[in-house]
Amino acid sequence: NAGVMQNPRHLVRRRGQEARLRCSPMKGHSHVYWYRQLPEEGLKFMVYLQKENIIDESGMPKERFSAEFPKEGPSILRIQQVVRGDSAAYFCASSPKPGQGAGYTFGSGTRLTVV
Amino acid sequence: AQSVTQLDSQVPVFEEAPVELRCNYSSSVSVYLFWYVQYPNQGLQLLLKYLSGSTLVKGINGFEAEFNKSQTSFHLRKPSVHISDTAEYFCAVMNYGGSQGNLIFGKGTKLSVKP
Repeated sequence: NAGVMQNPRHLVRRRGQEARLRCSPMKGHSHVYWYRQLPEEGLKFMVYLQKENIIDESGMPKERFSAEFPKEGPSILRIQQVVRGDSAAYFCASSPKPGQGAGYTFGSGTRLTVV
Repeated sequence: AQSVTQLDSQVPVFEEAPVELRCNYSSSVSVYLFWYVQYPNQGLQLLLKYLSGSTLVKGINGFEAEFNKSQTSFHLRKPSVHISDTAEYFCAVMNYGGSQGNLIFGKGTKLSVKP
């Protein structure tokens, strides 16, 4: 039973380019969470999605960032016109149901470097 | 609003010594509590969690934590550490019974075990 799969593991983008990060949740998990980890910081919640729905995007920057979790395929976190400050590790977690202490499984992350 | 404070950013210890990593939280509602471990360039792995019941929780790799409601603490302990325990440890909280279920993380504690 594969865990949460994130790709790519490392991504380098020039300023102004677009970054697309993918997350395939564990089998049977329909809830996906994206977190960002800046250097020397803990993880910060960005967005919570279910299939075809954004449930909570309170942690997403207002501009340039978007997320989706289509009916088929992985969840995508998209960052348009990247800037140096977007350099961070982005982690995805999935769970079978939200809250109630349900078990979260994290992926290994995508490390984005903006040059 | 919830918050998590990890009082020590770095904890150096010698192999086979005991260790305690401190975590305090602030919340106006009941919470679930978690400890995660992150090895270099990897994702987060759940060490243990407190949902309800006994306040002493045992996790993987010989770690345990004690929930203290009056002190709003959830300190992580291990009686004898190994070199392989060198990693970063994150304390996190989640609203009890919430429908959203996103985790609030502390900034992490880097545990360095020396021979």
